[in-house]
Amino acid sequence: EAGVTQFPSHSVIEKGQTVTLRCDPISGHDNLYWYRRVMGKEIKFLLHFVKESKQDESGMPNNRFLAERTGGTYSTLKVQPAELEDSGVYFCASSQTGGIEAFFGQGTRLTVV
Amino acid sequence: GNSVTQMEGPVTLSEEAFLTINCTYTATGYPSLFWYVQYPGEGLQLLLKATKADDKGSNKGFEATYRKETTSFHLEKGSVQVSDSAVYFCALRLYNFNKFYFGSGTKLNVKP
Repeated sequence: EAGVTQFPSHSVIEKGQTVTLRCDPISGHDNLYWYRRVMGKEIKFLLHFVKESKQDESGMPNNRFLAERTGGTYSTLKVQPAELEDSGVYFCASSQTGGIEAFFGQGTRLTVV
Repeated sequence: GNSVTQMEGPVTLSEEAFLTINCTYTATGYPSLFWYVQYPGEGLQLLLKATKADDKGSNKGFEATYRKETTSFHLEKGSVQVSDSAVYFCALRLYNFNKFYFGSGTKLNVKP
């Protein structure tokens, strides 16, 4: 069974550009989460989807970040326009309803220069 | 609020040394506790978990005991190997609030 897959693994963009990160969760997992680790600090929650609905987006830093999960399958996280402080590793995770464990992807390392 | 504090790294040990990585937490409810590990070039993997007080999680020779009285979940291993070199994250999750709260991670370097 495939795990959580994220694309791309690395992205280097200039300040002001747009970047879209993609996450494919484990098949059948209704819950999908985005997290971010900035500058070696703690991994912080961004948002949580249940199927296609946003259950909790309290961690989204500002309106430059837009997450979607059309059809309740894969999800995208768009940053527009990117700023230097957006650099970090973005993790996606998925879990079954009622499941205590979440399964994480490899992460996307975003560098804004 | 909810938060996790873990010891700063990096921690450098020789092979076969004893490992302890401290983790303490604050939580508004009754959390489940986790240790995740990130090996170089890989994603986060669940290492072990404990869901109630006094539970001991264990995996691959690593252990951690859920201590409610000290709000701690310290990670231990009796004899580390070079292959244990990775970043270790302590985390908590409240039952009704699906999201995890992570610590800042502790990098472990094991030298032969």
